[in-house]
Amino acid sequence: TQLLEQSPQFLSIQEGENLTVYCNSSSVFSSLQWYRQEPGEGPVLLVTVVTGGEVKKLKRLTFQFGDARKDSSLHITAAQPGDTGLYLCAGEYNFNKFYFGSGTKLNVKP
Amino acid sequence: ETGVTQTPRHLVMGMTNKKSLKCEQHLGHNAMYWYKQSAKKPLELMFVYSLEERVENNSVPSRFSPECPNSSHLFLHLHTLQPEDSALYLCASSQDGRARGKGYTFGSGTRLTVV
Repeated sequence: TQLLEQSPQFLSIQEGENLTVYCNSSSVFSSLQWYRQEPGEGPVLLVTVVTGGEVKKLKRLTFQFGDARKDSSLHITAAQPGDTGLYLCAGEYNFNKFYFGSGTKLNVKP
Repeated sequence: ETGVTQTPRHLVMGMTNKKSLKCEQHLGHNAMYWYKQSAKKPLELMFVYSLEERVENNSVPSRFSPECPNSSHLFLHLHTLQPEDSALYLCASSQDGRARGKGYTFGSGTRLTVV
């Protein structure tokens, strides 16, 4: 049983399209992080959200933390080939204990 | 340059071999972690070291043996592995054992294949 469910598992889109990926759990997070992992590399932190309802923007990426702190979404506007990668969410359940989801594999075609 | 360096990048080993994975960080972090990443599975936390003391061991088989000689170096000693142990092994570090805020800094991983 996975504590964090990410959807979709795979997403292939054309350059310029918008997309949203989701991270869901039945448990409450103290905080949640999103990472992007490119092939052959380790994950790189994109953002940390802490407060329920919080929205953070990073250029074309918008991250939202659910009001109940059980879910999160990542929206990408006008996707580019450089956005290609595995997007991982990681939820903090107890102090400094993070559990990762399986990720969404995004492919943006030129 | 991620600040966390892992060697080797790729490793093929037989089930009777003994090998070690190495991780090095010069970020001044005092917590280091080993994660296992298998296809279509969440990252699995294996071991946590904080201030060079092992603070977590997530029911990892004894054929995996970690070592943290100082706050900058972390090793994972491998012996008599099974083919299902083939995976990407990621090392990470964080400051003060709190990954919230600045998150983990990951290395590029060691792609391990057990034959």
